[in-house]
Amino acid sequence: GAVVSQHPSRVICKSGTSVKIECRSLDFQATTMFWYRQFPKQSLMLMATSNEGSKATYEQGVEKDKFLINHASLTLSTLTVTSAHPEDSSFYICSARWSDYNEQFFGPGTRLTVL
Amino acid sequence: QQQVKQSPQSLIVQKGGISIINCAYENTAFDYFPWYQQFPGKGPALLIAIRPDVSEKKEGRFTISFNKSAKQFSLHIMDSQPGDSATYFCAASKNQAGTALIFGKGTTLSVSS
Repeated sequence: GAVVSQHPSRVICKSGTSVKIECRSLDFQATTMFWYRQFPKQSLMLMATSNEGSKATYEQGVEKDKFLINHASLTLSTLTVTSAHPEDSSFYICSARWSDYNEQFFGPGTRLTVL
Repeated sequence: QQQVKQSPQSLIVQKGGISIINCAYENTAFDYFPWYQQFPGKGPALLIAIRPDVSEKKEGRFTISFNKSAKQFSLHIMDSQPGDSATYFCAASKNQAGTALIFGKGTTLSVSS
């Protein structure tokens, strides 16, 4: 149980285009979902916290107009990277938790490459 | 300000040896301390976690030791195997709605055969 999926697993796009990444909790309802970014050989950096039906809370330094997060249901959150640039190339990972007193389960990640 | 400090940055252990990774935290409100294992190109996978009401937790070859007064916790991997070669992250969080995990910087473990 507690499986989180992400789609796509890998995406290559041209500079200036937008990319949407989906994060789904497959066998549980996620009260909160989190989006992280990880650069090579570095740790996971929290980008935003998303609760179903409400606006996401972004970490300091993360542009909310560039990284659009939608948490429309208890099983789906999406991250849209708008007007992507090469510096946005990274490994994006989501995680989900189903109650306030439980661990986070991570998705397999999405490798974004912006040319 | 880094809230969770992890060491060492990298570790090389002989097959069959014990791997030890240490973490220290600053926020006394933290009450959940997991360890994650990550292979290249994959998302982190929960390995083992502990809460501050116990000083040690063991699951198979993996043990967490927790020292509340020192605000430190460590991961011990017994009988380390080449398949354990990965990056390990410690993390911490508060038991509070919507609270995210704060991660350490990671330790790259290489187990030589």
